[in-house]
Amino acid sequence: DGGITQSPKYLFRKEGQNVTLSCEQNLNHDAMYWYRQDPGQGLRLIYYSQIVNDFQKGDIAEGYSVSREKKESFPLTVTSAQKNPTAFYLCASSTTGDLSPLHFGNGTRLTVT
Amino acid sequence: KQEVTQIPAALSVPEGENLVLNCSFTDSAIYNLQWFRQDPGKGLTSLLLIQSSQREQTSGRLNASLDKSSGRSTLYIAASQPGDSATYLCAVKTGANSKLTFGKGITLSVRP
Repeated sequence: DGGITQSPKYLFRKEGQNVTLSCEQNLNHDAMYWYRQDPGQGLRLIYYSQIVNDFQKGDIAEGYSVSREKKESFPLTVTSAQKNPTAFYLCASSTTGDLSPLHFGNGTRLTVT
Repeated sequence: KQEVTQIPAALSVPEGENLVLNCSFTDSAIYNLQWFRQDPGKGLTSLLLIQSSQREQTSGRLNASLDKSSGRSTLYIAASQPGDSATYLCAVKTGANSKLTFGKGITLSVRP
């Protein structure tokens, strides 16, 4: 079955450490996205990529970095510069075009103490 | 800047009721609108996508309508079931290559 795999499901880190969240898709989608979800805040876009080796900042990119070396993979690094990293992180992908719904992974819950 | 609002934030209904979830957006020049379902601790599942040229889309017991001129969309759920309990989010895309803007969602509880 095609889908998006995010790993791990839960991640715990100490303050000051960088951490990388994995996102892999086998849907052959060109576009991939990272969202952050906080209680009462809705989804906010961190970074997105519409093609390999290219990506753009979303609304809250500060303290995060990404890479897109392969079509299937879009890892997100949460750096020590991110002030409030504890959150639920969601990866998504889509084809291009107006009939392309967004497909989501099951998320990674990151807790930084 | 596009803003998407979903009110109320939570809704509780008895099983069997037909119900309507509302979504409003500030910029009527949209490309498409999507409705998603999210179960606790999970990702989002796409339910329906309405293109800007369409008025409604249907899937099973779900029907989504779009009125661009008034900046509104509704998700109609017929004969609600306890399994429909989840958070429902709408999201608007304002251009072919633009990002989605999400509402904060409506948490629905269907009581047996």
